[in-house]
This record gives sequence, C-alpha cells and structure tokens, in this order.
Amino acid sequence: EPEVTQTPSHQVTQMGQEVILRCVPISNHLYFYWYRQILGQKVEFLVSFYNNEISEKSEIFDDQFSVERPDGSNFTLKIRSTKLEDSAMYFCASEGTGDTQYFGPGTRLTVL
Amino acid sequence: AQSVTQLGSHVSVSEGALVLLRCNYSSSVPPYLFWYVQYPNQGLQLLLKYTSAATLVKGINGFEAEFKKSETSFHLTKPSAHMSDAAEYFCAVSDDYNQGGKLIFGQGTELSVKP
Repeated sequence: EPEVTQTPSHQVTQMGQEVILRCVPISNHLYFYWYRQILGQKVEFLVSFYNNEISEKSEIFDDQFSVERPDGSNFTLKIRSTKLEDSAMYFCASEGTGDTQYFGPGTRLTVL
Repeated sequence: AQSVTQLGSHVSVSEGALVLLRCNYSSSVPPYLFWYVQYPNQGLQLLLKYTSAATLVKGINGFEAEFKKSETSFHLTKPSAHMSDAAEYFCAVSDDYNQGGKLIFGQGTELSVKP
C-alpha cells in the first residue's frame, strides 16, 4: 500500500541553523501539507500546497518557513533560522481524491 | 472558526470493556469529521471519517463513530477493547468540501488498556 515517507526521522540542530525536512508524498496525490506537534500539545496545521504554490498557511508559518516541491516527488519544509520553540514533531501529509489526508511517520526536530 | 474539543486527555479501560472517546466540534457549516490514531513513535493513521453520508461511520479495527448534529458530537466507540488499541486518538474537523482543506485537530486522548 502506498505511504508517505519522511526523512530524517530525527534531526538535531543548533539554534539559528537552517534545517530541511523532506517528505515523499503518495504518487498521484496533488495536495500536500505540513503539520507540527509540539510535545504534549495538539497537532497544528502549518501550510498546504497545491499546483506548486501555497494554498493556505497558518500564523505559525512565518517568514522563517518555506516549502518547495523541487522535483515532482519530494516535498520539503525549510526552517531558515531555527529557534528553540521550533522543536516539535513535523508531519507531512498528502491527499488525492477522496477527502482523506495520509500522514507520514514524522520527523522529530530538536533545536538546542 | 472551527474547533474541536476532546473531553478527557487520558482514558483507561479494561481489556474487553467498551471504549468511548468523546469529541465535540464547532463549525459554521456542516463539517467533515475524522478520527486518527497515533501509535507510539508512528504517524497518524486514519480510523474513520464522516463526510455527510451515513451518520454512523464504521472504521478500521472495529471502531465506529456517530455524527450527531444536534449535539455537535462525533464520539468514537469500540464495543470491546484490545491491548493493541492503546494509543493516542485525535479527532479532527475540516469545513472544506473540496480537496486541499486543512484539518483542525483536538488535543488528543490517550487510551490505556489494562489487562
């Protein structure tokens, strides 16, 4: 069964460094999302992406964040200058037809 | 604005007992509603979804949920809990009937199953 994959599973970085989180959505899906879950808190929407542009973004998704689909298969989330409060689990999701978002296993980002 | 409230951050049941996880939503339009499960160190897996068809929705692993508009609820139930059901459960709402709408999640309910 097709699934969403994410790499790396765990990323440790120093505050102020740039990180890129990678996702491979299910092929033939057209809608892509990033969510995050700070430890002990709810899953929060960050951004949605369709037709090579951002469809919607939350207040969390400020200028430090960017997304890209560089090669038609990968979907990346870049955090330009990480802060301590960016430490969280980041989930990628993709959606085809049928109103269902399929989530990847997540990348745990730890900012020191 | 949409929101989801899950009553009880932690629910504990005995193996074989009824599982009831509560979810109430707020939406200005008829919503789409979802339950996801997260096993330790894994991603979110869809259990079931309501998209304005039958109000009683059956999902995987014996779970079901009933949409009650009058109560703005979408509670998740399972008649008999298994040890393998121990996980975190998230209720989510979307008001976008087209593809591409974001999900708004509740706080999650951690289910423990005692032998």
